[in-house]
Amino acid sequence: RKEVEQDPGPFNVPEGATVAFNCTYSNSASQSFFWYRQDCRKEPKLLMSVYSSGNEDGRFTAQLNRASQYISLLIRDSKLSDSATYLCVVIAGTALIFGKGTTLSVSS
Amino acid sequence: GAVVSQHPSWVICKSGTSVKIECRSLDFQATTMFWYRQFPKQSLMLMATSNEGSKATYEQGVEKDKFLINHASLTLSTLTVTSAHPEDSSFYICSAWGLAGASGELFFGEGSRLTVL
Repeated sequence: RKEVEQDPGPFNVPEGATVAFNCTYSNSASQSFFWYRQDCRKEPKLLMSVYSSGNEDGRFTAQLNRASQYISLLIRDSKLSDSATYLCVVIAGTALIFGKGTTLSVSS
Repeated sequence: GAVVSQHPSWVICKSGTSVKIECRSLDFQATTMFWYRQFPKQSLMLMATSNEGSKATYEQGVEKDKFLINHASLTLSTLTVTSAHPEDSSFYICSAWGLAGASGELFFGEGSRLTVL
């Protein structure tokens, strides 16, 4: 099993749709989790940190399930501007591990 | 918030030449910086962890003599691609941990797109 695995993409959704991505991790000692967004030919930028209690920022909701060792990202009311690649990042000790990313394409 | 600046953004060079990429933390000190490579439509791949004042730690499969990393100060790490070849053409990105509010965040440089002819 890979250390960090993400839903295979691409996800093609219409504007206004709700879409969810999952990311599973294999190291149960992982302590920090993040979702990053990467636009084509640009550097990744932090979208959200993921807390045990879950967190919400506008249309975006991130959740952590330690028992099943996955994190999720929910995007409601998708906008065209949400089209990007979403990377999950897991930190275990000093190791920082990126998922391969899930590509989202929102169309009008 | 913390900012990481990378330079140059674009570089085109001839095969066999060496290229240096700089990564600076602009308003914070970074004892550790990370260097990644990303090929088209692929994920970020960690190349090495740059440690201020000591040798970099390279990931398996990354040639340390090919990709020279120097982290001489708390705000600057450099990656030199020596004797570059077309297969080294890629998007190189650095990152560093900085404080953002009450928590830490991994900040990325803007990336450097290397094309070797």
